[in-house]
Amino acid sequence: DGGITQSPKYLFRKEGQNVTLSCEQNLNHDAMYWYRQDPGQGLRLIYYSQIVNDFQKGDIAEGYSVSREKKESFPLTVTSAQKNPTAFYLCASSEGRSNQPQHFGDGTRLSIL
Amino acid sequence: GQNIDQPTEMTATEGAIVQINCTYQTSGFNGLFWYQQHAGEAPTFLSYNVLDGLEEKGRFSSFLSRSKGYSYLLLKELQMKDSASYLCAVRDLYSGGGADGLTFGKGTHLIIQP
Repeated sequence: DGGITQSPKYLFRKEGQNVTLSCEQNLNHDAMYWYRQDPGQGLRLIYYSQIVNDFQKGDIAEGYSVSREKKESFPLTVTSAQKNPTAFYLCASSEGRSNQPQHFGDGTRLSIL
Repeated sequence: GQNIDQPTEMTATEGAIVQINCTYQTSGFNGLFWYQQHAGEAPTFLSYNVLDGLEEKGRFSSFLSRSKGYSYLLLKELQMKDSASYLCAVRDLYSGGGADGLTFGKGTHLIIQP
């Protein structure tokens, strides 16, 4: 079945450590997105990519980095510069047409040790 | 920028009907989406409106008034499994996120009581 796979489901980070969250999709979607969700908050856009080898900063990109070397993959690195990384991270993809919804992965919950 | 408002929490009774409102302010409106999200899970797409009026999908319906910057999600014959958060998201031609970019409200936590 087509879908979006995020891994791991739970991740723990030590102080000063970079961690990478995986997002893979087999929907043949051009656009991919990373969101952060905090309790009582809406989804906030971290980075997005509309095409391979191109990506743009979202509203809260500081302390994060991404790459888009393949259409299927859009990994997110949470760097040590991100001082409050504890959150639920959601990856999404879409066809790139404005009448189509974004489809989401099951999320990764990141916590600080 | 954009401003999307929805009630924080609502309570309804099993078998009843509930209406969740969403108001928005945007400069280049290009569609409104409703998602359902159970705790700790992925949001799932429920409905899409870009023209004024009502879209019906089984027990769920969504309404849009572009002139009023207003939408609602109507859930009928409520079931216990409908307990979840409901997210209103707006697509704006002039906001970040590219052609398919969305700005999300904070979500409405719906509690269904027996």
